[in-house]
Amino acid sequence: SSELTQDPAVSVALGQTVRITCQGDSLRSYYASWYQQKPGQAPVLVIYGKNNRPSGIPDRFSGSSSGNTASLTITGAQAEDEADYYCNSRDSSGTHRVFGTGTKVTVL
Amino acid sequence: EVQLVESGGGLVQPGRSLRLSCAASGFTFDDYAMHWVRQAPGKGLEWVSGISWNSGSIGYADSVKGRFTISRDNAKNSLYLQMNSLRAEDTALYYCAKVDPLRFDAFDIWGQGTMVTVSS
Repeated sequence: SSELTQDPAVSVALGQTVRITCQGDSLRSYYASWYQQKPGQAPVLVIYGKNNRPSGIPDRFSGSSSGNTASLTITGAQAEDEADYYCNSRDSSGTHRVFGTGTKVTVL
Repeated sequence: EVQLVESGGGLVQPGRSLRLSCAASGFTFDDYAMHWVRQAPGKGLEWVSGISWNSGSIGYADSVKGRFTISRDNAKNSLYLQMNSLRAEDTALYYCAKVDPLRFDAFDIWGQGTMVTVSS
């Protein structure tokens, strides 16, 4: 399958921890990258590779992977983390790219 | 400053064509693969097409294969998307994005997008 599946929505209390998952067969072979998108803005890369953050991304964002599932964890969620989050990877053939279905994170 | 600026979007009738452009600045354009990603109103991100640094490798999503053509002009630091036989379902905000091979080909830089509306 070339699909990446995410839960549509999750909520987290301010300061608590939330994990967003991304499932797909291609994740057994390729790393996922994760993108944060706030309303009216372009996506921003937050995690790439095994668990790497671009400069400027807070260390409360972390990534992990096991089998066909990649995860993005926000430890100590802040109000500004409220956004849509998308995973991305290559498809199973390795030639195309595919985005996850997206997860809306609400910080309560 | 590293920047991508898309242009060329607009309102177009079904079946017609449109050409999008993406102007790159602040980095060595011909060192990197580039991609187009779109987002229909209220929907998620959809990968559309990608092209290697030297145009030697090109890929398309099944939804646009045979209708869209990606190209680049490294001398002009520009990426293009020729869209033919447009359909209502092609209505979306189109982003160009740079990938970084040192970041496992993650999309590290995005433009702000150009809106394409296909409607009669």
